Amino acid sequence: QVQLQASGPGLVRPSETLSLTCTVSGGSISTNRYYWVWIRQSPGRGLEWISSIHYRGDTYFKASLKSRVTTSVDTSKNQFSLRLSSVTAADTAIYYCAREEYISAGAPWFDLWGQGTQVTVSS
Amino acid sequence: SYELTQPPSVSVSPGQTASITCSGDALPNQYAYWYQQKPGQAPVLVIYKDSQRPSGIPGRFSGSSSGTTATLTISGVQAEDEAEYSCQSADINGKQIVFGGGTKVTVL
Repeated sequence: QVQLQASGPGLVRPSETLSLTCTVSGGSISTNRYYWVWIRQSPGRGLEWISSIHYRGDTYFKASLKSRVTTSVDTSKNQFSLRLSSVTAADTAIYYCAREEYISAGAPWFDLWGQGTQVTVSS
Repeated sequence: SYELTQPPSVSVSPGQTASITCSGDALPNQYAYWYQQKPGQAPVLVIYKDSQRPSGIPGRFSGSSSGTTATLTISGVQAEDEAEYSCQSADINGKQIVFGGGTKVTVL
């Protein structure tokens, strides 16, 4: 079955760029049916959607993070990535990659999640 | 920005029914989704499109939506249902996805 695994540095310095990669195994990332998503969860706080990307390149972002977020897909490696610039302590969180069921109109949902990776922003 | 509001906690005795609400102004026009998250684990989808249950989710989980409130109901609660439950939807345009703050369900 399809599995997602996020990876990246566990510690990032303030003002630097956080970079994470999600590897999709057991299925192809190049499918029209799904978008590929980053979601984070800060200590003691709720889930926060960050961005969604389709393998063809369509992307959308949380408005308040859009200026700092870059996301991309590498179909040859079956991976997608997140870059979050100018990080602060407020960006400390568990970062999850997930699969979004495409829906032509209205709110989509996330039917498959990776285990998440802890990222701490600290000097 | 758009928000979904959930109660922070719900307590229920085994075998009883737990109901968790999620309020949001766009819910009359957008589906609600529900996720279960146990400590140290990733969230798991338990309800999609207001009331549909994914394969493998027990029948005691059900969902409904009316007006600006969506509700997750767990009938005949079991100890294993103790977890955080989060609702999710989107703004009126469907492009800003939001989660509720989460509700901790405690089985007494």
